[in-house]
Amino acid sequence: KNEVEQSPQNLTAQEGEFITINCSYSVGISALHWLQQHPGGGIVSLFMLSSGKKKHGRLIATINIQEKHSSLHITASHPRDSAVYICAVKHNTGNQFYFGTGTSLTVIP
Amino acid sequence: DGGITQSPKYLFRKEGQNVTLSCEQNLNHDAMYWYRQDPGQGLRLIYYSQIVNDFQKGDIAEGYSVSREKKESFPLTVTSAQKNPTAFYLCASSREYNSPLHFGNGTRLTVT
Repeated sequence: KNEVEQSPQNLTAQEGEFITINCSYSVGISALHWLQQHPGGGIVSLFMLSSGKKKHGRLIATINIQEKHSSLHITASHPRDSAVYICAVKHNTGNQFYFGTGTSLTVIP
Repeated sequence: DGGITQSPKYLFRKEGQNVTLSCEQNLNHDAMYWYRQDPGQGLRLIYYSQIVNDFQKGDIAEGYSVSREKKESFPLTVTSAQKNPTAFYLCASSREYNSPLHFGNGTRLTVT
């Protein structure tokens, strides 16, 4: 059983489309992270949030603590957004993180 | 620029040999982590350390060992006891309890 589930697993979009990636989790958390992994393998932290909504450029992350659900939105998608997006949660007891299996996004020009 | 450096990027070893993966950070972070990434699976925790000279096993520690003699360094040794060592290994750090994770660029280990 995975503590963190992401959907969809794979996503192909045309440049300019609005994209949504979903994350559901089953444990109590202190924070949720959205990460971006490029083909080379390195991972970059996009957002850390524990409530509400955060925005950075064309990226928006929301979280609903009661429903244990988060979404990552990309507006006006661009080919350079092509990457794997990973949802991770920090357990509210201890120092453990749980990771989703990632959503592979391809944006076609 | 502050960050995490993992070396080497690619590593090839023969079965039965121990191999050590390097992880160095200059972010002054207390917590450091080693994760393993396999196709189709989420990152899995191997070991983590919250302070110098202290570390805890993660979910898949068998066949691995670590040390934390300095705050900046958290090397991972993949021993011959690890049954399936071929994988992508990622080192990460965070300042403290609820801080963003910072990742290195990873080491891809292939054992034949």
